[in-house]
Amino acid sequence: ETGVTQSPTHLIKTRGQQVTLRCSSQSGHNTVSWYQQALGQGPQFIFQYYREEENGRGNFPPRFSGLQFPNYSSELNVNALELDDSALYLCASSLDGGAWAGVLTFGAGSRLTVL
Amino acid sequence: ILNVEQSPQSLHVQEGDSTNFTCSFPSSNFYALHWYRWETAKSPEALFVMTLNGDEKKKGRISATLNTKEGYSYLYIKGSQPEDSATYLCAFSSGSARQLTFGSGTQLTVLP
Repeated sequence: ETGVTQSPTHLIKTRGQQVTLRCSSQSGHNTVSWYQQALGQGPQFIFQYYREEENGRGNFPPRFSGLQFPNYSSELNVNALELDDSALYLCASSLDGGAWAGVLTFGAGSRLTVL
Repeated sequence: ILNVEQSPQSLHVQEGDSTNFTCSFPSSNFYALHWYRWETAKSPEALFVMTLNGDEKKKGRISATLNTKEGYSYLYIKGSQPEDSATYLCAFSSGSARQLTFGSGTQLTVLP
């Protein structure tokens, strides 16, 4: 299987709820990163997982958490949703857990709306 | 805080025109500069990864240059076509970072 797939493509939640977004990495890629893209901005790094361990984190609070599984799938969990969490969430996989000379393969994103 | 700036924010050109956009990034602790092309409702797609000062990359009608000493990269599209319409993102990584820092993108519309 090639490419990165994300689900769901769209979802609507209310403030205070919890959400789980899912990602299936490209086969063989051992690194997954999650990015948040708010309207009018570039993607912002949330965190990276390498071989099922968190390997780096951006400026996001602990209510953003993740998991990576041995079958190359991963999850982004957000607790206590806030209005500002409304954004497109992008998953990207790659074959290198180190510094970023490697190309990222992106999914098409999950668009979250928090009301 | 790393800052990656792209200009212009948006651009409309006629089919057949050549165009270029700019990406500015911190010149210290440089590791790599990426360009991605993102069509609406699709996934961002990697165009180029450049790591050396003076690098020039080309893919068909699209090419990019890199100046790490002054902290900028140019993306050129020769003879723009409507299918080139997309948002072009650049992203920078430093030697110590696990992540890419993205600019806000340049939205290109090529009019037939």
